[in-house]
This record gives sequence, structure tokens and C-alpha cells, in this order.
Amino acid sequence: AQSVTQPDIHITVSEGASLELRCNYSYGATPYLFWYVQSPGQGLQLLLKYFSGDTLVQGIKGFEAEFKRSQSSFNLRKPSVHWSDAAEYFCAVGARTGRRALTFGSGTRLQVQP
Amino acid sequence: GAVVSQHPSRVICKSGTSVKIECRSLDFQATTMFWYRQFPKQSLMLMATSNEGSKATYEQGVEKDKFLINHASLTLSTLTVTSAHPEDSSFYICSASPGTVNSGANVLTFGAGSRLTVL
Repeated sequence: AQSVTQPDIHITVSEGASLELRCNYSYGATPYLFWYVQSPGQGLQLLLKYFSGDTLVQGIKGFEAEFKRSQSSFNLRKPSVHWSDAAEYFCAVGARTGRRALTFGSGTRLQVQP
Repeated sequence: GAVVSQHPSRVICKSGTSVKIECRSLDFQATTMFWYRQFPKQSLMLMATSNEGSKATYEQGVEKDKFLINHASLTLSTLTVTSAHPEDSSFYICSASPGTVNSGANVLTFGAGSRLTVL
């Protein structure tokens, strides 16, 4: 069965500082990988996804993530955090064939200090 | 892009009543939709897969008689919480993709969610 681990429950960074959110997955093969962001009381917005090809993927809002097969990781990064980035971030994996439901990690809550 | 609409966004009901939540794909047809449940400050847990024209597939531990799912058309799936109790209070989110089951490259679009509070 596939699973996703986000080791950091809560992260606080200063505005303008760099950010890295960790994500590790367990899957029998190479899955599809996603990062979503959720503001309080809202649905999920897709930040970026990895299907194949270049292991460094660019997303919206200045985010990027790197797929490292050897480490089963898909960490999310941003060079300079803005106050509006404060939210909950979810890493998710999905199968390449068959059922397309996603499995989510437990989430990382990002707080941005002025 | 693909848009998924959920209604209502918030609902408060009394214990013992039933509540229906609608999930619509606005600009595409979705043969499959997924219903997730999210407890406060927790992750999304898949409840069931809604299949147009056939029975829903429920995840282990989800009571199918309590959470009735109907996928009557290619653009509408409904989740009915029957005889709701306070422990059913949660954030329910649906998602869908315009792709086919075996087209894994498609990306799920999520609705804005429906917050259910059972008094």
C-alpha cells in the first residue's frame, strides 16, 4: 500500500527566508507526486506535480520540488517566503494506472513571521 | 481549467437528521469522483470512490449505510450523511478529474469543501 510521510507537523520561518518542506513516500514503483496547499477552511490548490522527466519541477507561486528516487522523497522548496504563504501544505501520491485517488500525507502547517 | 463545485459550503444540522452534499464538475464530465473527509488539523482521508451509473466503492471502515453516495450523472455526485451525529461533524471534500480510469496522468481537481456541524 502506498503511504506518504511529512515529518514536520509545524514549521515557522521568517518572511523572506527560504523554505523546505519534507515529503517521503512509500510505493511499489514510481508514483505520481503532488503538492497541494490549503488555506484555513478552504479546499486544496495544486502547487505542482511530478509525472516523469526532469526531476526538478516548477510550480505556482514560486514553489519548486525535487523528486529523488533514491531517497523516495519529493521535498517542496521556495527561496523566499511571503506572509501569504502561511497555510497547510500536503504532499500526495497517486498511482500511474487504475484508481486515481490520491493518498495524502499528514500535512505541514507553515507559519510566517514578519 | 477543470472546476469542481461543492454545495453547501457550510451546513449545520440537528442530530438524527440527514444532510446532502453535492459535488459538481462544471466544465468536464467525470465518470469517477472521490470523497474525502478531513478532521480538524488533520489530513484528508479517502472515504469512497463514486462511480457514475454504478455503486460507490467504500474504503475500509467507512459505513456505506451512513454515507450514501449517488453518482447519477457525469457531472454530479452526492454524499448524504444519514442520521447524522456530532461525531460526523467534519470537513468533506470531493475531487474529480476529466481523465479516464487508466489515464493516470490526469490531475484531480478539488472542490472547496463542505463543513458539516452536527449539533
